[in-house]
Amino acid sequence: AQSVAQPEDQVNVAEGNPLTVKCTYSVSGNPYLFWYVQYPNRGLQFLLKYITGDNLVKGSYGFEAEFNKSQTSFHLKKPSALVSDSALYFCAVRGGGYQKVTFGIGTKLQVIP
Amino acid sequence: NAGVMQNPRHLVRRRGQEARLRCSPMKGHSHVYWYRQLPEEGLKFMVYLQKENIIDESGMPKERFSAEFPKEGPSILRIQQVVRGDSAAYFCASSPPPVEKLFFGSGTQLSVL
Repeated sequence: AQSVAQPEDQVNVAEGNPLTVKCTYSVSGNPYLFWYVQYPNRGLQFLLKYITGDNLVKGSYGFEAEFNKSQTSFHLKKPSALVSDSALYFCAVRGGGYQKVTFGIGTKLQVIP
Repeated sequence: NAGVMQNPRHLVRRRGQEARLRCSPMKGHSHVYWYRQLPEEGLKFMVYLQKENIIDESGMPKERFSAEFPKEGPSILRIQQVVRGDSAAYFCASSPPPVEKLFFGSGTQLSVL
């Protein structure tokens, strides 16, 4: 079975500081990894994905994520946080030969002005 | 190309009634996923369908819940004899094959009185 762990319920960061939202995963075979963002009363929006290639993936709104195979992690990062980045962030995974996409519990990011 | 359309946006039912949630995927998308979101529980996978086929329903309760994605028309998530515990936000997502990025609808908020 595939699974995703987001160990932090909430991350607080000051505006302008770098941010990291953590994610670890478990899956059979090569992982397809994703980050999504959800604003209040909205559906999820795609941020970025890792399928193959460079371990550092760049996505929307200045976000990036680093794939670490040995640590089975896919942490989301941004060099300088904005207040408008405050939202709920979900990490997701699927196995290479399997189409089911499993999401983590979500991490609430609060950027403090 | 219109996004994923879910309706109704809000649905109120009394205990014992039936709830029917509709999802129209984006044009050209043959894969549909249904997820349920509850506070503190994240996004829980329910079912994954392709046109006219249920591929994975491992997250869907065997009683009272059913889903379909007919050749023509929207995907339907049906909940019979609703109970208060069914109150949640239900999100639909669609994708073309292969599944590398999910496009989410705005969700249906089901409230059971």
